[in-house]
Amino acid sequence: GQQVMQIPQYQHVQEGEDFTTYCNSSTTLSNIQWYKQRPGGHPVFLIQLVKSGEVKKQKRLTFQFGEAKKNSSLHITATQTTDVGTYFCAAPGGYQKVTFGTGTKLQVIP
Amino acid sequence: DAGVTQSPTHLIKTRGQQVTLRCSPISGHKSVSWYQQVLGQGPQFIFQYYEKEERGRGNFPDRFSARQFPNYSSELNVNALLLGDSALYLCASSLWVLGPSTPADNEQFFGPGTRLTVL
Repeated sequence: GQQVMQIPQYQHVQEGEDFTTYCNSSTTLSNIQWYKQRPGGHPVFLIQLVKSGEVKKQKRLTFQFGEAKKNSSLHITATQTTDVGTYFCAAPGGYQKVTFGTGTKLQVIP
Repeated sequence: DAGVTQSPTHLIKTRGQQVTLRCSPISGHKSVSWYQQVLGQGPQFIFQYYEKEERGRGNFPDRFSARQFPNYSSELNVNALLLGDSALYLCASSLWVLGPSTPADNEQFFGPGTRLTVL
């Protein structure tokens, strides 16, 4: 079955430093989604990327979809304590059978 | 507008018992999906329901079943509970439709989840 891996598993950064998480799929993807889950909370949709090589920005967050549509990345510039949480990439399959990645847990040290 | 709601918030059961979890989607959303999230892992897809029919099923045993009602709310049932069923059960709704849809229709809105503990 489809596998979606993320690295790193954990990341501790000083507030103000940048952060990047990488997502890799075993298969070519039609699109990829990113979610954020705060501690004790539920996943919240951030963005969906559809086109090969697509880059989208949301304030300090930059999302990229690889040219081969098998990998993606999320980069946060100048992290803030509000960025704390686990970031998941998610690969939709048939219908809405979504395969979530393993997640990257971000801790921001004030 | 209210978001996705789930009940109960927490539940404690013993091995062998049965449990029913409930979900109400965002108004206008006809697609409901269920996920299991074990502590420290990403959500695992269990079911998708659309227009009262099962449209997708993940790799879960037959002890897991679900249904969707005419008002698009949904229930997840788990029989013969095992210790390993302890998890956060998440419900998500979306504007996804069977047929032509836009990428925006894929956005899933998650509820707060039901924390199930099996002792």
